[in-house]
Amino acid sequence: GESVGLHLPTLSVQEGDNSIINCAYSNSASDYFIWYKQESGKGPQFIIDIRSNMDKRQGQRVTVLLNKTVKHLSLQIAATQPGDSAVYFCAENSFGNQFYFGTGTSLTVIP
Amino acid sequence: DTGVSQDPRHKITKRGQNVTFRCDPISEHNRLYWYRQTLGQGPEFLTYFQNEAQLEKSRLLSDRFSAERPKGSFSTLEIQRTEQGDSAMYLCASSLGRRGASTDTQYFGPGTRLTVL
Repeated sequence: GESVGLHLPTLSVQEGDNSIINCAYSNSASDYFIWYKQESGKGPQFIIDIRSNMDKRQGQRVTVLLNKTVKHLSLQIAATQPGDSAVYFCAENSFGNQFYFGTGTSLTVIP
Repeated sequence: DTGVSQDPRHKITKRGQNVTFRCDPISEHNRLYWYRQTLGQGPEFLTYFQNEAQLEKSRLLSDRFSAERPKGSFSTLEIQRTEQGDSAMYLCASSLGRRGASTDTQYFGPGTRLTVL
């Protein structure tokens, strides 16, 4: 499944499928990006980060891709599990310690 | 569990009252942040501390809002004369603040949900 975070804020995938969550960031000067997962009633949880000198970074079951040319960030989750159901936010930083968060994409995993 | 704790978890107050929230960061973290999050939106930056010094403040932080971190450990966020528009989740985050690193990963607490009646 695939979504554009700002235009299609809801994504439903079957358990075991791969998920792709997209984020279009706004500031071409942003050089550090983080993906967060937020479950209902909890604070955002760090998933993975990437700096602008990289195009791709992999973690455990997650991969972040950065395309600076079109200011696009994506989060790929392999073999999606029910516990992955949450809202996912991308956050960008360009100066100081202020991070700007996108609207978020709600991921629902269907068992 | 990120290690950042916030108290209280929920607060209901009447318009015009003052409220104060507390954040205890991860113990070795030098940097502490406050954010506000409304339903369906991402967190919005409010302010940031490096140790006890408040270094950045958002334009969102009106003069009714004040934050302190007197000993460089826990922090408080006070809202005076609350308004219904202040209803939101108030999130605290902390980061290590490595020497030479301009930014580093922020770890969030569970938040304090404020409801102003």
